[in-house]
Amino acid sequence: DVKVTQSSRYLVKRTGEKVFLECVQDMDHENMFWYRQDPGLGLRLIYFSYDVKMKEKGDIPEGYSVSREKKERFSLILESASTNQTSMYLCASSLAAATEFYEQYFGPGTRLTVT
Amino acid sequence: GDSVTQMEGPVTLSEEAFLTINCTYTATGYPSLFWYVQYPGEGLQLLLKATKADDKGSNKGFEATYRKETTSFHLEKGSVQVSDSAVYFCALSDGGSNYKLTFGKGTLLTVNP
Repeated sequence: DVKVTQSSRYLVKRTGEKVFLECVQDMDHENMFWYRQDPGLGLRLIYFSYDVKMKEKGDIPEGYSVSREKKERFSLILESASTNQTSMYLCASSLAAATEFYEQYFGPGTRLTVT
Repeated sequence: GDSVTQMEGPVTLSEEAFLTINCTYTATGYPSLFWYVQYPGEGLQLLLKATKADDKGSNKGFEATYRKETTSFHLEKGSVQVSDSAVYFCALSDGGSNYKLTFGKGTLLTVNP
């Protein structure tokens, strides 16, 4: 069974803290994604990685960075957390192909609260 | 840029009622279209997809037809169950950057017994 796991379901951090959100997939997928989900806004792509050490900015990368040192692991980093980064964060992964869309598999999400 | 517009919720239905959730899109080229579902406390799961005009995606009694002329991909189910209560997201992939999904804002469906 395919699996995407995220390190925490709930997280509470203080303004200015450095925050790490971890995501691991066991499907040998090339692509990994970080989204944030907010009521009334749907899902928005923060960053995308198509290979180890490779990354691309999504639609809302400001205030975030990412790290992919191993194929199965993709980390989202909030360099200095702010209250407007309180949100649900979803990680996803997929196979990659030039001409075909492969399903994205999602983790259960991390609900981050910044106080 | 690409965009997806879906009907705002929440939608509340009684068990066995007919469901329609409207979805329209704007995209260049020939996108693939998807419906994802998010059950309470879980991540998103792919519900169905259609990759070209007039294709019908179907799964678990849900259906959606890719209508290029009306740029629509409405989700339908003939008889909903309490277990269908979830948030439903319409999404597209524009094919040019095949990794990227553009999502609608989601529609919360509640089915009462």
